[in-house]
Amino acid sequence: EVQLVESGGGLVQPGGSLRLSCAASRFTFSSYWMHWVRQAPGKGLVWVSRIKSDGSSISYADSVKGRFTISRDNAKNTLYLQMNSLRAEDTAVYYCVRGYSQYAVYFDYWGQGTLVTVSS
Amino acid sequence: QSALTQPRSVSGSPGQSVTISCTGTSSDVGGYNYVSWYQQHPGKAPKLMIYDVNKWPSGVPDRFSGSKSGNTASLTISGLQAEDEGDYYCCSYADRYSLLVFGGGTKLTVL
Repeated sequence: EVQLVESGGGLVQPGGSLRLSCAASRFTFSSYWMHWVRQAPGKGLVWVSRIKSDGSSISYADSVKGRFTISRDNAKNTLYLQMNSLRAEDTAVYYCVRGYSQYAVYFDYWGQGTLVTVSS
Repeated sequence: QSALTQPRSVSGSPGQSVTISCTGTSSDVGGYNYVSWYQQHPGKAPKLMIYDVNKWPSGVPDRFSGSKSGNTASLTISGLQAEDEGDYYCCSYADRYSLLVFGGGTKLTVL
């Protein structure tokens, strides 16, 4: 079964930075779109960013554009999210998510999530 | 406030049908057939139930069906079962501030 394991979350002060990682296994990582989706405690899902299988196409939600950077290392089967200038409203569980089949706009497998808390 | 509007909750008895609506605009739901639905049980990751408005991924029972009219997409669950209880989220491609937008989620209770 597909495995996605996030790491790197934690408590950070407003204005600080964090780098999330997602280790992928049991599928051909280099063939799929990958996304980050977040969910604030008790709230709904919010799409954050996506990256094409070969890294040639990247998109961000306006709320994180200019502050977050998505990247991937297909040799290491790892997805990253560099988060800078963090704000309280970025507090959420961040999920690493695989794109469904060849589609860039649907999601099938999700990691267990990593909690990011932005607070002083 | 989510980009797409869903009812906070719906309920139904086992065997009945329920419909969950998802209302957007011509910039998302109404303008594209890239609507999907996700089921989430407490403490679990979301599961893709419907994509391309009305298609089923492999393994999803055909009791779940999707449709769209204008700016509103709908998920209908027929023959309700206890295991259908959970939160349901719609999602659409959007040509504005966020490439993909979710609804706020609907809690389905099976009475």
